[in-house]
Amino acid sequence: GQNIDQPTEMTATEGAIVQINCTYQTSGFNGLFWYQQHAGEAPTFLSYNVLDGLEEKGRFSSFLSRSKGYSYLLLKELQMKDSASYLCAVSNGGSARQLTFGSGTQLTVLP
Amino acid sequence: SAVISQKPSRDICQRGTSLTIQCQVDSQVTMMFWYRQQPGQSLTLIATANQGSEATYESGFVIDKFPISRPNLTFSTLTVSNMSPEDSSIYLCSVDQGRRALNTEAFFGQGTRLTVV
Repeated sequence: GQNIDQPTEMTATEGAIVQINCTYQTSGFNGLFWYQQHAGEAPTFLSYNVLDGLEEKGRFSSFLSRSKGYSYLLLKELQMKDSASYLCAVSNGGSARQLTFGSGTQLTVLP
Repeated sequence: SAVISQKPSRDICQRGTSLTIQCQVDSQVTMMFWYRQQPGQSLTLIATANQGSEATYESGFVIDKFPISRPNLTFSTLTVSNMSPEDSSIYLCSVDQGRRALNTEAFFGQGTRLTVV
């Protein structure tokens, strides 16, 4: 079966750093995605990891450990506009890019 | 990156009726997917739209309820049939251009917000 776990809610202060964790147990693995979703909008792509290690992209970084079934999204220099839901998703393998999503982490950035 | 146009963006429908959602991509894509996001929840894959053959449905979703068309490599439709209030959700079209390089991504349309009354 597929199981992806991430915290339901997190709160952080503007300018701070926050780490959102994601653990997964899936029947196959072909990469892990992080998406950002503001209320009422479609998800937007943030990062993709298929190899172990850290991928850095501006204020956002994502880490993957395949042996541990673990990933995190690191957000630095938080801004108010970063308040959103952050979705961890796993591509289960094969030739198609079907994604299994976690329940999402609602991040609230406080002034 | 692919540009995906999805319509309608929102609709309010009577129970028992059907709604067809369209997804148009500005380039040919190998795979198209339909997801549902129920209120307060994450995304759930409904089916993979296959060009030239029947869609492949995930567990819990059936063709009679969610018929899908994929007439070519740039277009797909999802129909929500015989709607009930439980079908009130955001429906999202997603595409994969089939690249195998690292940092590939799945793109999403802007979604269709459906309310069934």
